[in-house]
Amino acid sequence: QKEVEQNSGPLSVPEGAIASLNCTYSDRGSQSFFWYRQYSGKSPELIMSIYSNGDKEDGRFTAQLNKASQYVSLLIRDSQPSDSATYLCAVNFFGNEKLTFGTGTRLTIIP
Amino acid sequence: DTAVSQTPKYLVTQMGNDKSIKCEQNLGHDTMYWYKQDSKKFLKIMFSYNNKELIINETVPNRFSPKSPDKAHLNLHINSLELGDSAVYFCASSQDGTGGPGANVLTFGAGSRLTVL
Repeated sequence: QKEVEQNSGPLSVPEGAIASLNCTYSDRGSQSFFWYRQYSGKSPELIMSIYSNGDKEDGRFTAQLNKASQYVSLLIRDSQPSDSATYLCAVNFFGNEKLTFGTGTRLTIIP
Repeated sequence: DTAVSQTPKYLVTQMGNDKSIKCEQNLGHDTMYWYKQDSKKFLKIMFSYNNKELIINETVPNRFSPKSPDKAHLNLHINSLELGDSAVYFCASSQDGTGGPGANVLTFGAGSRLTVL
């Protein structure tokens, strides 16, 4: 069974610090990797996508992909209380049209 | 205008009843999905349609029947509801869900919370 694993948390980070979220996946041939943010009672929204090894930066967010080690991470710099949410890692496994989600990490930014 | 809209937002019903959830997207996307999110927040795909054609059908009881009258609409009908069907059901769409990098950038609807008593 192809899987995506995340630490469910909760992860508590002081305001202004760097929040680091990690995700591992089981299929070495996976192609596309996504981070979605879901506020309580709301729908998931895409915040980052990454397809190649290395880092991808977008504002305060940096996604890091290491295909050899089969992990993808999300760094949030200068964390704000508004970043408090559940972060879902999602992977598109090779040859498979569907997106498989991890169980999410609940992040709390402490003012 | 809401990009992906689903109705109703809340459904409370008795076991054994039949219910439907409707979804519409105005993004011009080719692919639409139904996801189920349980109480532990695990988001799992149920069905996917590309241009009205079923392309993903996960191991879902046949009490669940999706219908796509056109590529902008994907409805979900559930027969003989059970307690375990209680969850939030999300409709989503993507430009192209048929594979390849970038295919699975999803836009989600607001969700429909189903409670079976």
